[in-house]
Amino acid sequence: DGGITQSPKYLFRKEGQNVTLSCEQNLNHDAMYWYRQDPGQGLRLIYYSQIVNDFQKGDIAEGYSVSREKKESFPLTVTSAQKNPTAFYLCASSEQRFNTEAFFGQGTRLTVV
Amino acid sequence: KQEVTQIPAALSVPEGENLVLNCSFTDSAIYNLQWFRQDPGKGLTSLLLIQSSQREQTSGRLNASLDKSSGRSTLYIAASQPGDSATYLCAVPNQAGTALIFGKGTTLSVSS
Repeated sequence: DGGITQSPKYLFRKEGQNVTLSCEQNLNHDAMYWYRQDPGQGLRLIYYSQIVNDFQKGDIAEGYSVSREKKESFPLTVTSAQKNPTAFYLCASSEQRFNTEAFFGQGTRLTVV
Repeated sequence: KQEVTQIPAALSVPEGENLVLNCSFTDSAIYNLQWFRQDPGKGLTSLLLIQSSQREQTSGRLNASLDKSSGRSTLYIAASQPGDSATYLCAVPNQAGTALIFGKGTTLSVSS
C-alpha cells in the first residue's frame, strides 16, 4: 500500500521538552513537506525538502527542526523554543516540487500538557 | 503574494442536491490547482489535480473546472450524499513550486 505514514497519531509534550514527529513515505517521492494546521488559520508551511540532505525553511520554521537523511523519511522536531506548539501537524510529499500532485499523511495532533 | 479564498466557509444541503464549491486565487500564473477533502481529525485526501493547460477534470461525481484568466476554480459535486460531508480545500503552488498555498476551506454538511 503506497502512501505516507505519520506517527504517532497523538502526542503530548510537557513544557520545555523536545518531541519528534515521524513521517515516512513509500511513494519514491523526492519532495517532502511539513505543514501546521490551526483552527481558523488554515495550513502553514514549516519546512520543505526537495532532495536528500537538503531542506529549506517555510513560513513558520522558528522553534522547529528537520532532517532528511533518507529519501523516504522526513522527521520534524518541535523544540522547547516553539512557544505555542499545540496544533495538528501534516506531512506531505510530491514527485518533485509542488508542480506535481501532492499527497498527505493522516496527521499528528500535538498537545502541550 | 498569492492568496487563495474559498466561499462559502460552510454549506448545508439536503441529500441528492447538486452543489458547487468556489475557489479564487489572486495570481493567475499558476502551474496547477488541487482540490482536497479533509474529514474531522484526519489528513488531506487528494480529489482532483487540474494542470494549468486544462479546463476541467472529472472523477466520479466530482468535476473541477479551472479558469486561470479570472482566477477561479469550482468543484461540482453531483447528487450529494451524507458521506460527502467534510471540509473541502483548494490549493495552488507558489511561484517556485516549493509550497502549496491553501484556502481556508468550505465545510460541507449533507443531511439525509
